[in-house]
Amino acid sequence: DTAVSQTPKYLVTQMGNDKSIKCEQNLGHDTMYWYKQDSKKFLKIMFSYNNKELIINETVPNRFSPKSPDKAHLNLHINSLELGDSAVYFCASSHGDRGGGETQYFGPGTRLLVL
Amino acid sequence: AQRVTQPEKLLSVFKGAPVELKCNYSYSGSPELFWYVQYSRQRLQLLLRHISRESIKGFTADLNKGETSFHLKKPFAQEEDSAMYYCALSPAGGTSYGKLTFGQGTILTVHP
Repeated sequence: DTAVSQTPKYLVTQMGNDKSIKCEQNLGHDTMYWYKQDSKKFLKIMFSYNNKELIINETVPNRFSPKSPDKAHLNLHINSLELGDSAVYFCASSHGDRGGGETQYFGPGTRLLVL
Repeated sequence: AQRVTQPEKLLSVFKGAPVELKCNYSYSGSPELFWYVQYSRQRLQLLLRHISRESIKGFTADLNKGETSFHLKKPFAQEEDSAMYYCALSPAGGTSYGKLTFGQGTILTVHP
């Protein structure tokens, strides 16, 4: 009964390919997030959705497109993959109060390697 | 803009020694501060948040608005405390929807 799950766990692909990472949470949360952790372990928010609505978009290239079919899912699609996209991508969720300061629950991460 | 700085990338101590992981922040409004921890082969999880004012696994952290710091402390480190620690900030109130800004992380190693 994993709270926040991501698939796949590992993803190895060639430059120029298009790939998707899926995230699901069974906590009943309204808000979901995508973070990128680079090779130096720096963790930075990419997107956030609240009830399927995009609320945070942090200067991420247009090649990255999040999609939220329902509030329990937030998928990340990446077009034309580049070497610099290699990283660990974390999904997270929180209850969704507008005021912030909430605990976020993280998925196990998806390690993406672009060759 | 919000910014979190963890000046130490690596921190090594011996078991039983006190440990302090430093965190400084920059934010013009009222912040919510957190410490998240990632143990080996585990997912990132909340350790503690300043608003709770609690001690988790022997760790405490006090928000010092004058020094804009939120250092994490433990009087007697244990080997199982070895992990990556992230300090994080979220704007309080408004419509931030929990946007977290993380520090660079500190890898704590506790030697036997």
